[in-house]
Amino acid sequence: GAVVSQHPSRVICKSGTSVKIECRSLDFQATTMFWYRQFPKQSLMLMATSNEGSKATYEQGVEKDKFLINHASLTLSTLTVTSAHPEDSSFYICSARDGSIAQETQYFGPGTRLLVL
Amino acid sequence: QKEVEQNSGPLSVPEGAIASLNCTYSDRVSQSFFWYRQYSGKSPELIMSIYSNGDKEDGRFTAQLNKASQYVSLLIRDSQPSDSATYLCAVNVANAGKSTFGDGTTLTVKP
Repeated sequence: GAVVSQHPSRVICKSGTSVKIECRSLDFQATTMFWYRQFPKQSLMLMATSNEGSKATYEQGVEKDKFLINHASLTLSTLTVTSAHPEDSSFYICSARDGSIAQETQYFGPGTRLLVL
Repeated sequence: QKEVEQNSGPLSVPEGAIASLNCTYSDRVSQSFFWYRQYSGKSPELIMSIYSNGDKEDGRFTAQLNKASQYVSLLIRDSQPSDSATYLCAVNVANAGKSTFGDGTTLTVKP
């Protein structure tokens, strides 16, 4: 079945540093990848939609200069949290859509837990 | 009105019972419907997808779709404590490029 990996699974960083999170589709080509954020006991919040080879589409209220997304290949998208602050501490989850099938199923990665000190 | 609405719960059922989770959506041109399960501290995992009216069964899970009434439900038969999780309903509108998720229903199955 469709497998999506994320790396790292957990990261602790100091305030002001940048953190890069990788999302990979392991056994399919993902024409579209999505980045979500989830705070404890809250809903999934879509941050941006990323299409291979083009600029990401950000949801309202998400700062594109702070959350840099690159989708350079059909199997890899990266999210960079620039100048991270404690309020950016959250659970970041990517998902990927298999471009070879008509159904628009999203497969989620295991998530990355970010803690900014 | 939210685009995808779910009862937040918590929904509590005894072990062995049927758990019924409901989801309504507002956009009539929605075409694809999904149920995900999310355990505490983990990412969502796909349980079922359904695209046409009626029932779709997979093991202990049955998804039901009624496009005229704009609702989709998930039935879990013979509920087990391991089914305790938050269940997310997701709806796709054709060519929208993304899914719209409900806030989830928390299910607790008591031994």
